[in-house]
Amino acid sequence: DTAVSQTPKYLVTQMGNDKSIKCEQNLGHDTMYWYKQDSKKFLKIMFSYNNKELIINETVPNRFSPKSPDKAHLNLHINSLELGDSAVYFCASRLGQRGLETQYFGPGTRLLVL
Amino acid sequence: AQKVTQAQTEISVVEKEDVTLDCVYETRDTTYYLFWYKQPPSGELVFLIRRNSFDEQNEISGRYSWNFQKSTSSFNFTITASQVVDSAVYFCALSEGNYGGATNKLIFGTGTLLAVQP
Repeated sequence: DTAVSQTPKYLVTQMGNDKSIKCEQNLGHDTMYWYKQDSKKFLKIMFSYNNKELIINETVPNRFSPKSPDKAHLNLHINSLELGDSAVYFCASRLGQRGLETQYFGPGTRLLVL
Repeated sequence: AQKVTQAQTEISVVEKEDVTLDCVYETRDTTYYLFWYKQPPSGELVFLIRRNSFDEQNEISGRYSWNFQKSTSSFNFTITASQVVDSAVYFCALSEGNYGGATNKLIFGTGTLLAVQP
C-alpha cells in the first residue's frame, strides 16, 4: 500500500503554462507539506496544511497556490511557470501532534520547465 | 535561527569500509527533533531515524548507528561495513518541538553524497 503518493511523477511543460501536482496520503495524518528540492539537492519547506487549514507559507511566489480539499489531500497549483520552477517537489505528511514529528515523503514530482 | 550543517559534500569509500556522516545543528529551542533521511539514486526520500533532544542514547540498527551529542550539537551517522546499496545522498534535518503540531517544519542540511565502490 502506498503511504504518500504524488501525481504526476514527471512533468515537462513550457514556460508560461499552468500546472498542478496532486498529493494523497492514506496514513490518517492530518498535516501535510510541500517541499522543493532544487538542482543542487537543497530541500526547503514551501507550505504546510493542518486539517485543510494553511499553517506554514514560506516566502514562495504567489504563483504557487496550495489547496487542501480534505486532510488526506494536498495539491499544488503553479501559474505562469518559469524556468526557475524546475525542481523536484515533494509532498510529506505527519500527525500534527507534539512528539509525532516524523514526516513521511511521497516519491516526488520532477518538474521541468522549458 | 535553526540551521543544519553537513560539511561533507561527497564521500567515497570502498565496500566494507566504515563511514561516518557528520551533522551539526543550531537551534535555540530546548525541545527539538533530529532526523536522517536517505535519498537513493531513484530519488525518493526514505526516513531512517528520529531522535528527541531529551534522549541522548545512541542507537544502533543493523549496520547503522547514530551518535547524538548535545554538548557538541552533533548527530552523526555511521554505516558499518558499507555496501554498494548504501550509495545515496543522506540528509540530516532538524525540527523544533516547543510549539509542536503543524507549525513544525523540517530544516534540512545540504546533504552528503555517499558513493560506495565495489
